[in-house]
Amino acid sequence: QSALTQPASVSGSPGQSLTISCTGSSSDVGGYNYVSWYQQYSGKAPKLMIYEVSNRPSGVSNRFSGSKSGNTASLTISGLQAEDEANYYCSSYTTSSTVVFGGGTKLTVL
Amino acid sequence: QVQLVESGGGVVQPGGSLRLSCAASGFIFRNYGMHWVRQAPGKGLEWLTLISYDGTNKFYGDSVKGRFTISRDNSKNTLYLQMNSLRGEDTAVYYCAKDVDRGLDYWGQGTLVTVSS
Repeated sequence: QSALTQPASVSGSPGQSLTISCTGSSSDVGGYNYVSWYQQYSGKAPKLMIYEVSNRPSGVSNRFSGSKSGNTASLTISGLQAEDEANYYCSSYTTSSTVVFGGGTKLTVL
Repeated sequence: QVQLVESGGGVVQPGGSLRLSCAASGFIFRNYGMHWVRQAPGKGLEWLTLISYDGTNKFYGDSVKGRFTISRDNSKNTLYLQMNSLRGEDTAVYYCAKDVDRGLDYWGQGTLVTVSS
């Protein structure tokens, strides 16, 4: 199972909106609404930010939103803040009943 | 509150074995699937394996299939990962995580496994 494709890095200024893409195939992202997004600070465990494409767990800021079109899922962060600087990973359920992660995206707040 | 605490990591020689444990609390453990995920130093997340709530279904990533075995003891609220035939590339922080519709909503703090002679 190949990893999902994410941009290695993205950057934005405080207050801006920013989108991170996650591209897979019809065997994973395109085939199921089981796409999740995680935020990870260096040296810390990942935190779930979005599940089932667009659902936010309790306690996650509504500045974070998710969507999907075809084989590509997206995480949008609006009103960018310094605390959003972290690594972000997507994941998807697959036809093999497994889970696959994206390679990760480093978000830098300028 | 949900807590997942991994243990059992350490240094092991190539070809050796190790068993990781994940003690769960704060939720009804027997009702949820559980995952193991690892992260090599400076690298991204790699999904390893999933076990269903009752232990009857187990799924593995290609990199660990045949070498690693996931199991659980619902009477002890504990998840396990038996790792055999360890290689240098298995060196990583290993996380257990709770399943929510194939997302991972709670994670442990991780335990470091180092494979080295």
